[in-house]
Amino acid sequence: EAEVAQSPRYKITEKSQAVAFWCDPISGHATLYWYRQILGQGPELLVQFQDESVVDDSQLPKDRFSAERLKGVDSTLKIQPAELGDSAMYLCASSRDYLASGELFFGEGSRLTVL
Amino acid sequence: AQRVTQPEKLLSVFKGAPVELKCNYSYSGSPELFWYVQYSRQRLQLLLRHISRESIKGFTADLNKGETSFHLKKPFAQEEDSAMYYCALSGGSWGKLQFGAGTQVVVTP
Repeated sequence: EAEVAQSPRYKITEKSQAVAFWCDPISGHATLYWYRQILGQGPELLVQFQDESVVDDSQLPKDRFSAERLKGVDSTLKIQPAELGDSAMYLCASSRDYLASGELFFGEGSRLTVL
Repeated sequence: AQRVTQPEKLLSVFKGAPVELKCNYSYSGSPELFWYVQYSRQRLQLLLRHISRESIKGFTADLNKGETSFHLKKPFAQEEDSAMYYCALSGGSWGKLQFGAGTQVVVTP
C-alpha cells in the first residue's frame, strides 16, 4: 500500500541553525500539505501545494520558513534560522486533489527539537 | 474565519460504555466536517466524513448546522478505540483542512 514518506524522522539542532525536511507524497497525488503540530495541539497548516504551485501559505512564517515542490512531486520544507519555538512535529500529507473530500494521507512526521 | 473547538482534552470511559466526543465549529459557508484518528504509534488517518453518513468501526457523527456541532459517538466503547481523535473542517477555495486540538480517549477494561 502506497504511503507518504518523510525524512528525517527526528532532528535535533541548535537555534540559529538551518534545518530541512523532505516529503514524498503518494504517487499521483496532486495536493501536498505541510502541517506543524506543537505538543498538545492539533495540526496547523503551514503550506498547501496544488501540483507545484502554493495555494495557501497564510500561516507560514515567511521570514524563516520556505517550502518548495519544484516538479510537483516531492517537497522540501526549510527553516532558517531555527528558533526554540520551532520545536514540533512536522507532518506532510497528500491527497488526490484539493476536491478529494478532505481525505488526507499523512506521513509519520519529522520531530524537530531546537536546543 | 474557520475554527474548530474540541472542549475535552481527555475522555476516560469503561469498555462497553457509550462514548461521545464533542466538536463545535464556526464557518461562514457550508462546511465539510471530518473526524481523524491517531492510534498509538500509527499515522494520523481519516475515520469518517459527514458527507458519507457512514458508520466506521461503530462510530457515527451527525452534522448539526443549527448548533454548529459534529459530535462523534459510539454506543459501546472497545479497548481498541483508545486513541487521539481530531475533528477537522474543510473550507475555502482550496479545501483547507483545519484541525481541532484533539481529544485523547482512554478505554479501560
